[in-house]
Amino acid sequence: SQQGEEDPQALSIQEGENATMNCSYKTSINNLQWYRQNSGRGLVHLILIRSNEREKHSGRLRVTLDTSKKSSSLLITASRAADTASYFCAEGGSEKLVFGKGTKLTVNP
Amino acid sequence: DAGVIQSPRHEVTEMGQEVTLRCKPISGHNSLFWYRQTMMRGLELLIYFNNNVPIDDSGMPEDRFSAKMPNASFSTLKIQPSEPRDSAVYFCASSFGEGLIRETQYFGPGTRLLVL
Repeated sequence: SQQGEEDPQALSIQEGENATMNCSYKTSINNLQWYRQNSGRGLVHLILIRSNEREKHSGRLRVTLDTSKKSSSLLITASRAADTASYFCAEGGSEKLVFGKGTKLTVNP
Repeated sequence: DAGVIQSPRHEVTEMGQEVTLRCKPISGHNSLFWYRQTMMRGLELLIYFNNNVPIDDSGMPEDRFSAKMPNASFSTLKIQPSEPRDSAVYFCASSFGEGLIRETQYFGPGTRLLVL
């Protein structure tokens, strides 16, 4: 299977704490993307990092990419209850994206 | 911008019936993707189109599944006959890109299908 993997599968933290999710991928990528899915909803694009970038920020989100290890991490700082969702990484190497199975994040108020 | 529109949002049907899911991509997007999501298998790409042409249907489970894109603003995914194992949430997504690389995908709200 080409599918990458997120780690951990589930994460539960308190509001205000930071949340870190990791992604390992398998293909040669042009970019690596992170998406969020709230329960019962479609996926929403969060951030895209290109293969020649090592770190990218967007608001409370920080993404890193290590192409030598084929891994990426998503850090959410100062988490809020509204951040509760599943988070997916997606390998962008060609016309289609390859999604991982996701990390289910629960932020307790 | 209305985003990707899918209909119906929920569908309950009996085994053996035909099911048709519909999708309207974002205007101006030139790629359209159909996904299926289940707890067991996660998010699976079924088929995608580029400029209305099917490019890769290797994810379509079997001949009971078919998809069409007659024009840039409409696509259907049909299951005939439906089976209980087809129960899942089906997502449509669209994107715009030049060349072979596709970037951000925009997802619809999904169709929750239950086959009894």
